[in-house]
Amino acid sequence: SQTIHQWPATLVQPVGSPLSLECTVEGTSNPNLYWYRQAAGRGLQLLFYSVGIGQISSEVPQNLSASRPQDRQFILSSKKLLLSDSGFYLCAWSGGRSTDTQYFGPGTRLTVL
Amino acid sequence: SQQGEEDPQALSIQEGENATMNCSYKTSINNLQWYRQNSGRGLVHLILIRSNEREKHSGRLRVTLDTSKKSSSLLITASRAADTASYFCATENVSGGSYIPTFGRGTSLIVHP
Repeated sequence: SQTIHQWPATLVQPVGSPLSLECTVEGTSNPNLYWYRQAAGRGLQLLFYSVGIGQISSEVPQNLSASRPQDRQFILSSKKLLLSDSGFYLCAWSGGRSTDTQYFGPGTRLTVL
Repeated sequence: SQQGEEDPQALSIQEGENATMNCSYKTSINNLQWYRQNSGRGLVHLILIRSNEREKHSGRLRVTLDTSKKSSSLLITASRAADTASYFCATENVSGGSYIPTFGRGTSLIVHP
């Protein structure tokens, strides 16, 4: 069966510090991978998605970047965090077809102070 | 870009009552999906309804789709305290040949025991 892992679960970082969040998927190959951010009490904002290794599409301009160094690994990074980067970050995967379900990881709660 | 929009934003009911949430979208779709999110957790897929379907059931869940009005509703019958969660609809956008799910802001449901 497929599983998706995210770490860390929670993170408190000072403004201006770097960020690296990791997401890995097991039990499937060539998944579509997604990074979302969810502000408190709000909906999901799609940040990045990837349909293959090294293929990253950005949905919103920001100081975040994403990379997919391996088929089932998706990394969200920042060189310098802003206060506005605080939020709940969710990684998800799907098969890429319109009828495919998205499977979400447990999320990372990021607080930038 | 935001495709689906749920309403109401918040819903508070007593256990045993029915809960109805609505989702409106802007462009034509092939299917629409509903997800549930418990507080501080990832989203979990509930049900998918295709554009050629008008109604679908899964346990205590009933989903309807009206493509002429570009709207969908999720009905939870005989609600339980454990149904307390946020509910999101998701429609797909096609980007570069891939189907990219787009989520609304969600409806926060509280079921009082």
